Amino acid sequence: QQQVKQSPQSLIVQKGGISIINCAYENTAFDYFPWYQQFPGKGPALLIAIRPDVSEKKEGRFTISFNKSAKQFSLHIMDSQPGDSATYFCAANPATGNQFYFGTGTSLTVIP
Amino acid sequence: DTGVSQDPRHKITKRGQNVTFRCDPISEHNRLYWYRQTLGQGPEFLTYFQNEAQLEKSRLLSDRFSAERPKGSFSTLEIQRTEQGDSAMYLCASSLEIPSHGWANVLTFGAGSRLTVL
Repeated sequence: QQQVKQSPQSLIVQKGGISIINCAYENTAFDYFPWYQQFPGKGPALLIAIRPDVSEKKEGRFTISFNKSAKQFSLHIMDSQPGDSATYFCAANPATGNQFYFGTGTSLTVIP
Repeated sequence: DTGVSQDPRHKITKRGQNVTFRCDPISEHNRLYWYRQTLGQGPEFLTYFQNEAQLEKSRLLSDRFSAERPKGSFSTLEIQRTEQGDSAMYLCASSLEIPSHGWANVLTFGAGSRLTVL
């Protein structure tokens, strides 16, 4: 059973466009929602994260939007660049546990 | 500190052989995790250590898998009698609770050890 559902599986965006990746969860015990970026041959690296007490968090060109009632959160990459081409994973972690649950990933390609 | 180090980066073995992976976490991190990642999938939790104590194990961790973290520093993940289904990337991560993230548990991953079982 996939605890965190991620879509789309792949995304192609023109340089300068907005990339949007969506995730949904069911477990209301989750209270920390990070996004990871992974380049080929590398481990995932933390990009940005949010707690459910806020609806939005922005760091540079990256924004997380969080809808607690809908149990959905999304990553927005503004002014997408070719260097953003990577696989992105959303994840969720419960307050009382140490196990992170990851989505299945979105392969982003930014075309110059 | 160079981050989380994993060794070897690649391992090709024949079915039935034993393999061992090593992870050196960030020195000040007391928590260490092993995850498995197959092609086109997100990382799947295998096990977690706090210092030298193994506190959580996934159902994915069959009795052919064993992980240790002696002295609470580096960790090893051993797979006995490997099967073709064990082929995957084995990721190690260490973590520290960070105030700027609301004391959330922030994972730092290594580059992984890719296992191919022929």
